[in-house]
Amino acid sequence: DSGVTQTPKHLITATGQRVTLRCSPRSGDLSVYWYQQSLDQGLQFLIQYYNGEERAKGNILERFSAQQFPDLHSELNLSSLELGDSALYFCASSLNNEQFFGPGTRLTVL
Amino acid sequence: GENVEQHPSTLSVQEGDSAVIKCTYSDSASNYFPWYKQELGKRPQLIIDIRSNVGEKKDQRIAVTLNKTAKHFSLHITETQPEDSAVYFCAASKGDSNYQLIWGAGTKLIIKP
Repeated sequence: DSGVTQTPKHLITATGQRVTLRCSPRSGDLSVYWYQQSLDQGLQFLIQYYNGEERAKGNILERFSAQQFPDLHSELNLSSLELGDSALYFCASSLNNEQFFGPGTRLTVL
Repeated sequence: GENVEQHPSTLSVQEGDSAVIKCTYSDSASNYFPWYKQELGKRPQLIIDIRSNVGEKKDQRIAVTLNKTAKHFSLHITETQPEDSAVYFCAASKGDSNYQLIWGAGTKLIIKP
């Protein structure tokens, strides 16, 4: 157990819908990272927040947005969902260099 | 921007043999190079990392080597065991801490019994 929690574990929804994924970092970690991993693919970096502020942006679609709250938990919002958004979404947190990953949220868009 | 290339994409080795995975990075300012292991259906986990002021680091059966001049680093696993079967990701970062990692595409390591 890495100390990073993600909810929900599984999410099944329809095209065009909007969902919110939630991540709680390890106690004391200021950075939260979001990744998308499609089936048998690598880790696609989406976005990073550090102490409430956006720090780095990767290949995040305009339909996706994220935020980090004062208690440091983070949410990733995915809207106008398409079939291709089906993937495993990981968040990770870090205090220094090592990133600790949560168990992931598996999103299935039907 | 920064790019990390990882080879091979799939590696199959006999149990007990050694496995080597190589990564090349483009940004000479990169100074931190971790390796993560992702078992099937699990989350990625850090297995070893190296900083640019060190040329090699070992931890039991795994080692990482860094060649700053050539801008490449490698993961070496000796005496491979079935539990080494997984996807391995290399990454590079140029910050001291809390910086974005630039990830390689991953290597699927298969250990044949």
